[in-house]
Amino acid sequence: ETGVTQTPRHLVMGMTNKKSLKCEQHLGHNAMYWYKQSAKKPLELMFVYSLEERVENNSVPSRFSPECPNSSHLFLHLHTLQPEDSALYLCASSLRTSGMGETQYFGPGTRLLVL
Amino acid sequence: AQSVSQHNHHVILSEAASLELGCNYSYGGTVNLFWYVQYPGQHLQLLLKYFSGDPLVKGIKGFEAEFIKSKFSFNLRKPSVQWSDTAEYFCAVNSLYKLSFGAGTTVTVRA
Repeated sequence: ETGVTQTPRHLVMGMTNKKSLKCEQHLGHNAMYWYKQSAKKPLELMFVYSLEERVENNSVPSRFSPECPNSSHLFLHLHTLQPEDSALYLCASSLRTSGMGETQYFGPGTRLLVL
Repeated sequence: AQSVSQHNHHVILSEAASLELGCNYSYGGTVNLFWYVQYPGQHLQLLLKYFSGDPLVKGIKGFEAEFIKSKFSFNLRKPSVQWSDTAEYFCAVNSLYKLSFGAGTTVTVRA
């Protein structure tokens, strides 16, 4: 158990649906991350939050909208997704944002299928 | 921009065989290095990490990795694998501003 939980674990949605992914960390960390994991590709960093402020947005399409209401919770709101957005979405946390000496801890991921 | 390259896409071996997975990175400055493992149906777990000091790092489950700065490499090794080592292995490099991952190596251990 890593102390980072994600819900739901699996999600199937149509291209016109709106859904949200939730991440919660129980480690007392101040930084949280969203990654996209596609088959046989490196993990792609999507968003970084530090103390509830977004510090990085890696050219992610606007159909993905993050929200960080407090340092323990992170959401990813999804709307009008495309089939190529189907992937495993991973949440991670670290004590501080990813600088030297930091280790990120990952949740189990949400397996998303867009039809 | 930094990048991480894992040499092997898929490795298949028998129990008790030795394993070595290659990892090279492109960033020239000070780095932290990680190996993560993802067992089937489970989350990414930290296997070992290098921040400073002894370049030979020992991790969990009998794994070790060696940082060779001159070769920009951080190869993962295990002298004798078990069936339970079947998983996907990811090398990651942390520079001053971001953590970058390799594409992963799938390891299949046959009983």
